[in-house]
Amino acid sequence: AQSVTQLGSHVSVSEGALVLLRCNYSSSVPPYLFWYVQYPNQGLQLLLKYTSAATLVKGINGFEAEFKKSETSFHLTKPSAHMSDAAEYFCAVSVGTSYDKVIFGPGTSLSVIP
Amino acid sequence: DAGVIQSPRHEVTEMGQEVTLRCKPISGHDYLFWYRQTMMRGLELLIYFNNNVPIDDSGMPEDRFSAKMPNASFSTLKIQPSEPRDSAVYFCASSRGTEAFFGQGTRLTVV
Repeated sequence: AQSVTQLGSHVSVSEGALVLLRCNYSSSVPPYLFWYVQYPNQGLQLLLKYTSAATLVKGINGFEAEFKKSETSFHLTKPSAHMSDAAEYFCAVSVGTSYDKVIFGPGTSLSVIP
Repeated sequence: DAGVIQSPRHEVTEMGQEVTLRCKPISGHDYLFWYRQTMMRGLELLIYFNNNVPIDDSGMPEDRFSAKMPNASFSTLKIQPSEPRDSAVYFCASSRGTEAFFGQGTRLTVV
């Protein structure tokens, strides 16, 4: 069965610093992987997704993630944090080609310190 | 497209009352999902539909919860009777492939 873990429920970074949000997954078959962002009082918005093409995936707002099969990881990074990046970030995994088997991680709350 | 539309955005009701949450998915999407988000339990999938047919309702917490999708452009999630522990943000999402699009959610408070 698939599962997702996100290391660190809260992460704080200074404005301009590197953002690194960790995600590890378990899946018995090659997965699809997603990162979603949730701003306060909003729904979830897709940041990026991995669907077995390039292992380095670029998303919106300068975020990117690298799929590492050997480490079963899909960490999210951004070179320079902006105040507007403060939000909740969810990693998710699915098996197969459709969304219906998606499992969400518990989320990581990102704070950006001026 | 306006995206996934949920109504109401906020609902406050008294314990024991019936509550109905509404969702209009994105046109052309054939999957619709209902999620519940709480601080304690995070994001939980309650039920999902494919082509208006309920596929998996194993996440529905108990018989007080029911969901319908009478057509491709409308779905409801009903709680009857409501209890304080049902207080949460309820999200609807729709999909036609490998990603889902979420509505802005309904914040339900049961007092």
